[in-house]
Amino acid sequence: GNSVTQMEGPVTLSEEAFLTINCTYTATGYPSLFWYVQYPGEGLQLLLKATKADDKGSNKGFEATYRKETTSFHLEKGSVQVSDSAVYFCALIESNFGNEKLTFGTGTRLTIIP
Amino acid sequence: DAGVTQSPTHLIKTRGQQVTLRCSPISGHKSVSWYQQVLGQGPQFIFQYYEKEERGRGNFPDRFSARQFPNYSSELNVNALLLGDSALYLCASSLDGGAGDTQYFGPGTRLTVL
Repeated sequence: GNSVTQMEGPVTLSEEAFLTINCTYTATGYPSLFWYVQYPGEGLQLLLKATKADDKGSNKGFEATYRKETTSFHLEKGSVQVSDSAVYFCALIESNFGNEKLTFGTGTRLTIIP
Repeated sequence: DAGVTQSPTHLIKTRGQQVTLRCSPISGHKSVSWYQQVLGQGPQFIFQYYEKEERGRGNFPDRFSARQFPNYSSELNVNALLLGDSALYLCASSLDGGAGDTQYFGPGTRLTVL
C-alpha cells in the first residue's frame, strides 16, 4: 500500500535559519503530493501541492519539488520565522477506483526560536 | 466564504457510549472525508463520501459509520466507544474528491473517552 515517511522531529531552529524537512513516499502509481501545516489548536491547512513529476509547489516562502526518481517531496524555506512554528505533514493522494484518500506521514514538529 | 465547519468542538464520553460528529463542507463541495488523528500521529483515513454515496472506507471497525445528506453535510457515528477512540476527528471537503483535488480541513472535534 501507499506510505509516507517523514523526517523525525522535533526540529528546533533559530529565526532566519534555512529549513529542510525530508519526505519520501511509496506508491504504486503517480500520486499527487501535499504538505499540510497544523498550527497549535487548529486544523490542517494546505501549504502547497504538486500533482506531477518535476512540479514545484510553493507558498509563503516554502517550496517542495516532486522528485519521481527519488520518490521525494522535501519541504524547504530559506529563512524561517517564529510564526512558522507548527507541525508539518507530508501527504499523498492516489486515485484508486474512486477512493481518493490522503495518506499522511507522522508529522514533524518545528519550533523557531527568536 | 465559510470554511469547513465541525461540531461539537469538544466532547467527553464514557466507554460503551455512542457519539455523533457533524461536518458542513465548503459551499459547492460535494465530497466529504473523515480522518482520525491520534495525538502525535498523522491523520488516518476513515471514510469518503461523494454525492451521498460511500466512495471509500479505511481500516476501521464496523463501529464506525457515516452518511452524507442531500445538502452535502455529513455525520460520523461511533458506537460502543473504546478508550482508544480518543482522538481529534477531522472532516475535509473537496469539489469532487478527485486525486488532484485539494481537500480542505475543518478545525476538528476532539473526542475524549473516559
